[in-house]
Amino acid sequence: AQSVTQLGSHVSVSEGALVLLRCNYSSSVPPYLFWYVQYPNQGLQLLLKYTSAATLVKGINGFEAEFKKSETSFHLTKPSAHMSDAAEYFCAVSDSTDSWGKFQFGAGTQVVVTP
Amino acid sequence: GAVVSQHPSWVICKSGTSVKIECRSLDFQATTMFWYRQFPKQSLMLMATSNEGSKATYEQGVEKDKFLINHASLTLSTLTVTSAHPEDSSFYICSVSRVYEQYFGPGTRLTVT
Repeated sequence: AQSVTQLGSHVSVSEGALVLLRCNYSSSVPPYLFWYVQYPNQGLQLLLKYTSAATLVKGINGFEAEFKKSETSFHLTKPSAHMSDAAEYFCAVSDSTDSWGKFQFGAGTQVVVTP
Repeated sequence: GAVVSQHPSWVICKSGTSVKIECRSLDFQATTMFWYRQFPKQSLMLMATSNEGSKATYEQGVEKDKFLINHASLTLSTLTVTSAHPEDSSFYICSVSRVYEQYFGPGTRLTVT
């Protein structure tokens, strides 16, 4: 069975500071991992995904994430926070192509950016 | 442009009535669609897998008689919340997929009064 744990339900960062959102997964098979962003009353927007290619994945809006199998982690980072980064972020995992689309989401991390 | 649309985006209904939510795949034919539910300040939970031309597969704990799913065509899946109650108030999001690609709809906010 697959599961995702996001450490920290709320993160506050200063504008221009590093954004680091933590995600650890549990999966019995090599997983596919995703980070999504959600703005209030909107759907999900894909930031980036890991599908067993390069372990360092670059996404949109300056975000990137590194897949570390030894640590079962897929942490999301952005070097310099912008006010528009304030949103809810979800890490998600999908086990395999057989069950592609059946995502297990983490609890989410609310990011607040202060001036 | 959008790959998945949902209609309506927001609906208010009275307790005991039924509400239908549509999910359309705009760019490609989807034999499989997924329905998720998101309660306020919570994460998304998979409710069911909608299969074109066959019965939906529901996740454990989801009442199939309450949440009726119809996937009548390769581009349309509908979720009907029957005899809605205030506890059904939630954000419902559908998604369509093909290998290595997943697209989420904009969501439907259901409020049951």
